[in-house]
Amino acid sequence: DAKTTQPPSMDCAEGRAANLPCNHSTISGNEYVYWYRQIHSQGPQYIIHGLKNNETNEMASLIITEDRKSSTLILPHATLRDTAVYYCIVGIVPNAGNMLTFGGGTRLMVKP
Amino acid sequence: DVKVTQSSRYLVKRTGEKVFLECVQDMDHENMFWYRQDPGLGLRLIYFSYDVKMKEKGDIPEGYSVSREKKERFSLILESASTNQTSMYLCASNIGGNGEQYFGPGTRLTVT
Repeated sequence: DAKTTQPPSMDCAEGRAANLPCNHSTISGNEYVYWYRQIHSQGPQYIIHGLKNNETNEMASLIITEDRKSSTLILPHATLRDTAVYYCIVGIVPNAGNMLTFGGGTRLMVKP
Repeated sequence: DVKVTQSSRYLVKRTGEKVFLECVQDMDHENMFWYRQDPGLGLRLIYFSYDVKMKEKGDIPEGYSVSREKKERFSLILESASTNQTSMYLCASNIGGNGEQYFGPGTRLTVT
């Protein structure tokens, strides 16, 4: 699996958009970009994933650059409950296993 | 909603004890996973299973074994617990061919 690089921490004001970057310069053509988050003392929670097109769901938007070497997760109106560690992961989706390697992530602090 | 439950949130065991961690999912998922999470090391895959009675080693299987006798249940076994197995243990499941994993709340195991 390709490795990802994320800033260790970020702050965001409540109500503003949170933009979390991720570099994955060695991503291969069949690898997806996944985003998960982990709120303190809970298990990770899936947010969104994409291959090459931008994606949006009720939680967030995922913007993937044309060369696929980086992506940005956007939380359009961050709330205090969005304070969490956000993990960017790249991986293929094989028929069995679906192993995803979680790195260090970005600790997002949403402040009032 | 998919629900992944783990038998205990907190567990304290003595060195040398045999420890069973149970995980149950209610969505008929083919794949189930066991991770451990340690500060600064992120999530590391211990074992996964893609079918009943099937198992594959992850990145750090040493000192652990698993059992999957029923599709909905995946057990992690520490044959002889050691202090370096003190950690947060997370179970996850997903549908085959899908990278979106659903996590349980985690079990914080302390081995003294």
